[in-house]
Amino acid sequence: GAVVSQHPSRVICKSGTSVKIECRSLDFQATTMFWYRQFPKQSLMLMATSNEGSKATYEQGVEKDKFLINHASLTLSTLTVTSAHPEDSSFYICSARVLGRGGVRADTQYFGPGTRLTVL
Amino acid sequence: AQSVTQPDIHITVSEGASLELRCNYSYGATPYLFWYVQSPGQGLQLLLKYFSGDTLVQGIKGFEAEFKRSQSSFNLRKPSVHWSDAAEYFCAVEAGGTSYGKLTFGQGTILTVHP
Repeated sequence: GAVVSQHPSRVICKSGTSVKIECRSLDFQATTMFWYRQFPKQSLMLMATSNEGSKATYEQGVEKDKFLINHASLTLSTLTVTSAHPEDSSFYICSARVLGRGGVRADTQYFGPGTRLTVL
Repeated sequence: AQSVTQPDIHITVSEGASLELRCNYSYGATPYLFWYVQSPGQGLQLLLKYFSGDTLVQGIKGFEAEFKRSQSSFNLRKPSVHWSDAAEYFCAVEAGGTSYGKLTFGQGTILTVHP
């Protein structure tokens, strides 16, 4: 089956530093990747949509200069949290979608295991 | 904009008992509907999905869900719960159109299974 990995799984950093999170599709090519954020005991909130070779589309209220997304290849997207602050501490999850064949819409997103970010 | 409500934050059942997790959505047209399960340390796993056709959908691990347009619901069911089913379950909706691929999740339901 399709596997999505994230690295690192857990990161602790000091306030003001930047943190990069990688999302990789291991055995398939993902034209689109999504980044979600999950606060404790809450649901996943979509942050942005990342298409290979183009700029990410951010959801309302998400600071694009704060959360830099790069989708450099069909198997890799990165999320960089710049100048992280304690309020950025959260669980970040990516997902990857496969294009269907013959114009049929893809119907499954494959999720990574998530990255736990703690900003001190 | 679409929204998803899972009324039950936490459900406890005994192993072998039946299970129903509720999900209600708000959307003007027929949405694409999903159920995911999240276990600690693991990514979300798709249990089943509904796009069109038969309103009773079969998924993995013995789960099924029924789409009821009149009630705007997509409840998840399992006739006999196993201890390994303990996890958090999320209902999600995708609106299509310009929201193609964007999932809106419910708040999640934590399932505890007693032996």
